[in-house]
Amino acid sequence: QKEVEQNSGPLSVPEGAIASLNCTYSDRVSQSFFWYRQYSGKSPELIMSIYSNGDKEDGRFTAQLNKASQYVSLLIRDSQPSDSATYLCAPKRSSASKIIFGSGTRLSIRP
Amino acid sequence: EPEVTQTPSHQVTQMGQEVILRCVPISNHLYFYWYRQILGQKVEFLVSFYNNEISEKSEIFDDQFSVERPDGSNFTLKIRSTKLEDSAMYFCASNGAGSGAYEQYFGPGTRLTVT
Repeated sequence: QKEVEQNSGPLSVPEGAIASLNCTYSDRVSQSFFWYRQYSGKSPELIMSIYSNGDKEDGRFTAQLNKASQYVSLLIRDSQPSDSATYLCAPKRSSASKIIFGSGTRLSIRP
Repeated sequence: EPEVTQTPSHQVTQMGQEVILRCVPISNHLYFYWYRQILGQKVEFLVSFYNNEISEKSEIFDDQFSVERPDGSNFTLKIRSTKLEDSAMYFCASNGAGSGAYEQYFGPGTRLTVT
């Protein structure tokens, strides 16, 4: 079983619609969960963090966490062409821990 | 807003040469990391560093690699004798310590090309 599993995509979403990205993880000890956005040739950019079960909203982004199901998701409302990127789900055990990245989901917003 | 910086942005070197990649983590952070990403592949962990010593390293981080924090601000990755397969983007990252400080921030990366 992979440590982090995401649908590789590409996920194509029309501009203005909601993009839904999903992630499952295997490490039950993970305490914190992050979503990074990575444009081609660039570094991962932290866009959301979530630590507790439930939803967390920040602007157009909503992260959802279900630790019992080992599942994290990211919703992007009112999708813009600039949201076209690869989205990386990143569980982390503690402040001292490395991040194990999956391959990410490639999102494409079509005008 | 504080950010992780890296130099150089692009390094070209010949096989067998030594390279040093430099990073300045966010000033109040205590945990430092190096990752790499080979073109078209996922981001891979190399090494983590805390309190002036390596806290964890991956299988990739063999004897050809070393890390150092020579002063209070810089964090370096040295590759002693580069191979063609070391060509990749190398990212430095850092985060703070304790509850609520798990968020890890990445630098812009150094593109290493080994010829």
